Order: sequence, then structure tokens, then C-alpha cells
Amino acid sequence: EDQVTQSPEALRLQEGESSSLNCSYTVSGLRGLFWYRQDPGKGPEFLFTLYSAGEEKEKERLKATLTKKESFLHITAPKPEDSATYLCAVQAGNSGGGADGLTFGKGTHLIIQP
Amino acid sequence: EAGVTQFPSHSVIEKGQTVTLRCDPISGHDNLYWYRRVMGKEIKFLLHFVKESKQDESGMPNNRFLAERTGGTYSTLKVQPAELEDSGVYFCASSQWGLGTEAFFGQGTRLTVV
Repeated sequence: EDQVTQSPEALRLQEGESSSLNCSYTVSGLRGLFWYRQDPGKGPEFLFTLYSAGEEKEKERLKATLTKKESFLHITAPKPEDSATYLCAVQAGNSGGGADGLTFGKGTHLIIQP
Repeated sequence: EAGVTQFPSHSVIEKGQTVTLRCDPISGHDNLYWYRRVMGKEIKFLLHFVKESKQDESGMPNNRFLAERTGGTYSTLKVQPAELEDSGVYFCASSQWGLGTEAFFGQGTRLTVV
């Protein structure tokens, strides 16, 4: 069974204090690993897709990296508007017999204090 | 371009009643997904449409849930009869290119069964 574990569950940082969020996964053939941001009362907002170990993607203050067992979302010099829940999800390949949908982790609730 | 739209945003119904949720995907997106998040748990996959066909409904919890996508445009998810454990937030997502590519989520429908 595909599994995604995110840590920490919650993280409080000062504005400008860089950190990383972790996503550990087990999946039968990785088709893709996804990062989403979710604000209260809204749906998940797509950030990145990573497909193979060693791949990296950046967007503003965020950078996502991927290994064979985990992904990191690095946040550099965060601002209060970066406060949100960050979700990691995987999609299994067909060879694993997994469902078509994404398997999500529970998320990391990030708070950036001014 | 309009995003994924879900109706209603909130619904409160009594146990045993019927509720129908609607999702309008991004125009041109053949792939449509339904997900659900119950209190304290991660977002879980329910089913996947490609155009009007159900591609994978392995995540549907039981036969009280019926999803349709007539004409391959909008989709409905009917719960009949609703039970207390059906309470949660139901998300719809759509994607243009299918598995392994980014899906865009709606804001969700919060369903409360009392």
C-alpha cells in the first residue's frame, strides 16, 4: 500500500528563518510526487511535480527536491504570506496496481511570524 | 480562465437524506477526480473520470455514493442515504493530461451530516 508521511506536523518560524519540510514515501513505482499548498477554507493549490530522484524545482522562495525515498520542500527567507498547510502526494505507476488518484500525506502546518 | 468550481460550498443535512454535490472542471480538462477529507485524516481519492467514463472508482467507500459525468463536462456526486461518517470536505480536481500530471483543485464542499 502506498504511504506518505510528512514531518513535522506543524512548524512555526520567524520571518526570514529558512527551513525544510520533509515528505517520506513508499510507493509501488513512482509516477510523480506532488507538492500542494492549502490555505484555510480553500482547495489545494498546485506547486510542483517531481518525477525522478535528483530532480529539483524552484518557485520564488520554495525549492522542492526528490530522492528515492523522500522529498524536501525548502523555504528560504519565508514571509508571513507563506503561512499555509503544505501537502505532499504521490501517484503510483500502473505496474504497482495502485489507484489512479493521488495518495496524500497529512500535511505540514507552517506559520511564519512577522 | 475559470478554475475548478464546486457547488455548494457548504451543506448540512440530516442522516438518511440525500445530497448531490456538483463539480465544474476547467474547460477542456478530460480528467476529473473526486477526493474526500474527513476530520483529522488525510485527503483520500474516491474516483477518476476520463471524459464521461469512470476510469477508476476504487476509492468509493460504498454503494451509497454515486458519481456521474454525463457528456464529459460537469460531474455530480450523490450520497444516498447520507450517514454521519460521510461528513467531511469533498474536493474535485481536474487535469488536462491525466495520470502523473498536475491536477487543479476546487475549493471543496463541506458536508455535515447531523
